[in-house]
Order: sequence, then structure tokens, then C-alpha cells
Amino acid sequence: AQSVTQLGSHVSVSEGALVLLRCNYSSSVPPYLFWYVQYPNQGLQLLLKYTTGATLVKGINGFEAEFKKSETSFHLTKPSAHMSDAAEYFCAVSENSGYALNFGKGTSLLVTP
Amino acid sequence: GAVVSQHPSRVICKSGTSVKIECRSLDFQATTMFWYRQFPKQSLMLMATSNEGSKATYEQGVEKDKFLINHASLTLSTLTVTSAHPEDSSFYICSVEERGQQYFGPGTRLTVT
Repeated sequence: AQSVTQLGSHVSVSEGALVLLRCNYSSSVPPYLFWYVQYPNQGLQLLLKYTTGATLVKGINGFEAEFKKSETSFHLTKPSAHMSDAAEYFCAVSENSGYALNFGKGTSLLVTP
Repeated sequence: GAVVSQHPSRVICKSGTSVKIECRSLDFQATTMFWYRQFPKQSLMLMATSNEGSKATYEQGVEKDKFLINHASLTLSTLTVTSAHPEDSSFYICSVEERGQQYFGPGTRLTVT
């Protein structure tokens, strides 16, 4: 069975500050890991994903995440927050590409001026 | 990547009636589609995997007789909520798998009064 845990249901940062959203996973097989963003009443947009290879993954909108097997983590970061980054962020895991995703509970990011 | 649409985007129905939600893959022939449900301020939960030309695979705890899924063509899957109740009010999102990545529709907001 696979699962993800997102630490912190709400994160607030100032505009221009570092964004750090935490995700830890549990998987009995090498995981495929994803970060999605969801704006109000919209579907999900993929920010980035890790399948194999390089553990530091760069995504859209300046986000990146690092897969750390020893820590079973896949934290999402962005050096400088923009107001437009305010949204709900979901970490997800699957056991293979094309398989259904198991989502974390989400982290709501608030960006203050 | 695949472009996915859902119709309707919002629907309000009375308790006891049935509602059909369509998920279309606009530019890709999808043999597999996924249906998720998202309650307010919660994560997405997989309901079922829709396979073209065969019966859907439902997750544990999801009533297959209540949530009827039909994947009759490579571009269309439908979810019918039968005898809807207020507790079925939720955000329903479908996704299409293409080359190991899921692409999500914009979602359908169902409100049962």
C-alpha cells in the first residue's frame, strides 16, 4: 500500500519568501511521486513529478522538489513566493506510471503582501 | 499532454434523482480513465478506474450500483450518480492517463438539495 503525508494543512509565507511544502511517503515499491496545484473550483495541474533518475526535479512556475529515499520525503520548494502561488497543493504517489494516484490531504498556501 | 473536459461544470439536483457527468478526452484516445471525488477542503479520493469496453474497477467502499460508470468509447467516460442524496454533494474529477502521466479534467461540482 502507498500513502503520502503532507505536514501542515496551512502554510503562510510573505511575498518573496521561500516556500517549503512538506511531503513524506510510504511505499513498498519504488515510488512515483507528484506535486499538483489546484486553484479554487478547478482541476489539478501537474507541477512536477519524480519517476526515476535525477532526484532533484524542476517543475513549472519555479517550483522544484527533491526525492530523498533515506528520508522518504519529496518536499516542494520555491525560492521566492508570488501572490499567484496562493492555492492548494497536493502531493501524490503511485506505484507505476499510469496507475491511479494516492493523494495527500493537501496544503493550502497563503501568500501575504 | 491530453486535454480533458467535463460536463457539466456545475449541477444542482434534487434528492432522489440521477445525474450524469461526462468526461471527455479531446485529443487522445484513452483506454483508462480515473474518477475521483473531493469533499470540501479534503483531498481527492479515487472512486473507480474506468476501462474502455469493460467494467469499471471500484475502490473499496464505493457503491458500484450507485455510481455507474460507462466507458463506451476511447474518448468518453460517464459517471452517473443514481438516487442522489445530499451526502453525495461533492466535486467530481476525472483524469486520463497518457504515457504514464495523468491529466485532469476541470471537475464537476454536484450539489444535491
